[in-house]
Amino acid sequence: DVKVTQSSRYLVKRTGEKVFLECVQDMDHENMFWYRQDPGLGLRLIYFSYDVKMKEKGDIPEGYSVSREKKERFSLILESASTNQTSMYLCASSEYGGSYEQYFGPGTRLTVT
Amino acid sequence: KQEVTQIPAALSVPEGENLVLNCSFTDSAIYNLQWFRQDPGKGLTSLLLIQSSQREQTSGRLNASLDKSSGRSTLYIAASQPGDSATYLCAGWTGANSKLTFGKGITLSVRP
Repeated sequence: DVKVTQSSRYLVKRTGEKVFLECVQDMDHENMFWYRQDPGLGLRLIYFSYDVKMKEKGDIPEGYSVSREKKERFSLILESASTNQTSMYLCASSEYGGSYEQYFGPGTRLTVT
Repeated sequence: KQEVTQIPAALSVPEGENLVLNCSFTDSAIYNLQWFRQDPGKGLTSLLLIQSSQREQTSGRLNASLDKSSGRSTLYIAASQPGDSATYLCAGWTGANSKLTFGKGITLSVRP
C-alpha cells in the first residue's frame, strides 16, 4: 500500500512564526502536491513538484514556499504565518505516467493565532 | 479551464438504499477521473480511478462510470450502510502538467 505521512496532525502557531509542514511518501513517486482545504472553497493546490528540486506554483502560492531535496520528502513552508493561513493542509503523491492516481496523507490541521 | 461540479452538496438516505452520486466536468479532454472518500477531519482516501479509455471501475459495493461525451461521472453505492457516511469528492485530471481539479464534494449521511 502507498503510504503518505505528514509530520503533524494538529499544529498551533503564532502570527509571524515560520512554519514547516513535512510530507513523506514511500512509493518512489515522482509527483508530490500540497493542497489546502477550507469550508466552502474545497481543495486548492498550493504547489506541486514533479522531480527533486523542481517545483511549480499552483492556484494559491502566495505566502508559501516549498522544498524538495529528496524524492520522498516534500516540505511546505509558511515564511511568516498569518491567521488567514489557518486551514487543513493535505499532501499527496502520484507516479509520473500510468494512471497518475493521487494518494493523500492524513492532513495537518494548522491553527494560526 | 476544467471545472468540476457535484450536486447536491448533501444527501441523507436510509440504510440499505442504492444510491448514485453525480459529478460533472466541463473539459472532455479528461485523462482520468478519481473518486475519493473523506471522513471528518481526515485526509482523502482514493476509492476508484477511471482512465479515459475506460467506461467504469468496480470495487466491492462501489461502481464508478465515466462518460466523457456528456461530461459526467457517477459513483454508485449499493446497499448503503451507516459506515458509508462521509464526504465523497470527485476530481478530474487533464494531462501530465495539469492539476487535479476537485469538486466540492457531497456529504452523505446514511441513517440506520
